Amino acid sequence: EAQVTQNPRYLITVTGKKLTVTCSQNMNHEYMSWYRQDPGLGLRQIYYSMNVEVTDKGDVPEGYKVSRKEKRNFPLILESPSPNQTSLYFCASSSPGQGDYGYTFGSGTRLTVV
Amino acid sequence: DQQVKQNSPSLSVQEGRISILNCDYTNSMFDYFLWYKKYPAEGPTFLISISSIKDKNEDGRFTVFLNKSAKHLSLHIVPSQPGDSAVYFCAASPHSYSGAGSYQLTFGKGTKLSVIP
Repeated sequence: EAQVTQNPRYLITVTGKKLTVTCSQNMNHEYMSWYRQDPGLGLRQIYYSMNVEVTDKGDVPEGYKVSRKEKRNFPLILESPSPNQTSLYFCASSSPGQGDYGYTFGSGTRLTVV
Repeated sequence: DQQVKQNSPSLSVQEGRISILNCDYTNSMFDYFLWYKKYPAEGPTFLISISSIKDKNEDGRFTVFLNKSAKHLSLHIVPSQPGDSAVYFCAASPHSYSGAGSYQLTFGKGTKLSVIP
């Protein structure tokens, strides 16, 4: 089944403790992206990657890092999480061969930083 | 500056009636538009799209209308069903997804649709 898999689904952590949210896709997509969803703010892009070793900042990159060492994986790293990073995070992937479907999204990771 | 605007945070509709969700955009470079549907505890899923060369695209109960001169699009759901209750995101891209160019989508803030039985 074609899908984007995020782990973990739920995470509660403390301020300053480094964490990584993993994202993997099995569709051989070139493009991957991370979004956060907050009430009243919709989906805001954090980082995106056009292909392996090619990453760029989105609209809200502060406090986040990403890497794209393999085509299928695009982890989101919070080196020193803070409470304002409490949010719902989505990973997405896409490809020109995706046709009219735009992005395929993962199921989300709900992060709480206390 | 918000380039894709969904000015109604929420909408309530009776089952069987029409739901109309609106979206406005400001960037003239956008020429491909998509609607995504999102249920709680799930990721957004693609619903329907439209290219700027068209003014209407229909898929079953869902129809998207595009008014380029007004930079406005709308999603019509007829008839509305309780299972349609979800958050709907409008998204726009500066290039057709079937061609080369940016893969970037710009999303609106979403409209929460509630269909009342």
